[in-house]
Amino acid sequence: AQSVTQLDSHVSVSEGTPVLLRCNYSSSYSPSLFWYVQHPNKGLQLLLKYTSAATLVKGINGFEAEFKKSETSFHLTKPSAHMSDAAEYFCVVSGTGRGSTLGRLYFGRGTQLTVWP
Amino acid sequence: DADVTQTPRNRITKTGKRIMLECSQTKGHDRMYWYRQDPGLGLRLIYYSFDVKDINKGEISDGYSVSRQAQAKFSLSLESAIPNQTALYFCATSDGLAGVKEQFFGPGTRLTVL
Repeated sequence: AQSVTQLDSHVSVSEGTPVLLRCNYSSSYSPSLFWYVQHPNKGLQLLLKYTSAATLVKGINGFEAEFKKSETSFHLTKPSAHMSDAAEYFCVVSGTGRGSTLGRLYFGRGTQLTVWP
Repeated sequence: DADVTQTPRNRITKTGKRIMLECSQTKGHDRMYWYRQDPGLGLRLIYYSFDVKDINKGEISDGYSVSRQAQAKFSLSLESAIPNQTALYFCATSDGLAGVKEQFFGPGTRLTVL
């Protein structure tokens, strides 16, 4: 079975400081992992994805994530937060088993990022 | 123009009413999905369709039904709306080629059931 745990429901940082949003996953197979962002009153936008190529994945807007199989983690980072980064972030794992889970995505509960000026 | 569109964007209705939410896409994708989002719960899958003749239940299909009218259209119906179906609903698409693909989301429909 696939599942995702986002370890923080809320993260607050000051503008210009690093961002760390934590995600642990559970999967019976080698997973594909994604981070999506949702700005207020908007749909979801893909930030980055890991699909078993390089373990350090670079995404849009300066975000990156590192796949660590030994820790079953896929944490999202950014060196310097910007006010425009304030949003909700979702860690997502793909269904990679056989049958009905293949092709499906399983979402974490989200982390709300607040950026203070 | 947006690749995945949803109508209506906002809807307020009363308990017991039948509601239909519509989704259209111009991405040419085979796969379409309906999710609901509730605060603190992330997105949960209601129904999904891998092609026009294929409809599957997701995690929380009770109280909902869907229709895949064409490759580009996937509708979600609430036969008799109830207040705990108040939520933000998203349609998404992905292509059916080999390998895991990301999903592309519409802007959402905010539904309130009084």
